[in-house]
Amino acid sequence: GQQLNQSPQSMFIQEGEDVSMNCTSSSIFNTWLWYKQDPGEGPVLLIALYKAGELTSNGRLTAQFGITRKDSFLNISASIPSDVGIYFCAGQLTLQGAQKLVFGQGTRLTINP
Amino acid sequence: KAGVTQTPRYLIKTRGQQVTLSCSPISGHRSVSWYQQTPGQGLQFLFEYFSETQRNKGNFPGRFSGRQFSNSRSEMNVSTLELGDSALYLCASSARGSRDEQFFGPGTRLTVL
Repeated sequence: GQQLNQSPQSMFIQEGEDVSMNCTSSSIFNTWLWYKQDPGEGPVLLIALYKAGELTSNGRLTAQFGITRKDSFLNISASIPSDVGIYFCAGQLTLQGAQKLVFGQGTRLTINP
Repeated sequence: KAGVTQTPRYLIKTRGQQVTLSCSPISGHRSVSWYQQTPGQGLQFLFEYFSETQRNKGNFPGRFSGRQFSNSRSEMNVSTLELGDSALYLCASSARGSRDEQFFGPGTRLTVL
């Protein structure tokens, strides 16, 4: 079945540093999504990418939909303490009229002030 | 507009029991998807309901079932609970369930003793 390989699994950085994480797959997806999950909460959508090659920004976050449709990356610039959390990539495809969302294993981000 | 709500937030059961979890989607959303989140397996898709019909199903045993009501509220049932069913169960709603973004609820933390 479809699987996403997300890396790194965890990151320990200093406040103010830039962060980069990515997801790769052997499968082709129609949409790439990036979520952030805080403890005790459900994932919150950060960025959605709908076209191969698309580069989208949301404040300090930038994400790209790989040209092969098999990968995506997320960059966070000038990290701040509230960026701490677990970031998930998700690939979406439509099978027989129904959407299917496949998640990466997550990247746990820890920031030292 | 109120977000996705899930009840209960926490639940403790013993092996062999059954449990029902509830999800109320965002008003106007007709698609509800359920996910299981565990530290080892990450976020895994259980099933999706759209207009009271199960439209998509993940690779979980038949002990996991669900339904959706005419008001789009959804319930998930797990019968004959096993220790390995301990997890955070998340539901997500979207307007039509295809390209539309999914919005997650805070989840129900199920502990099986």
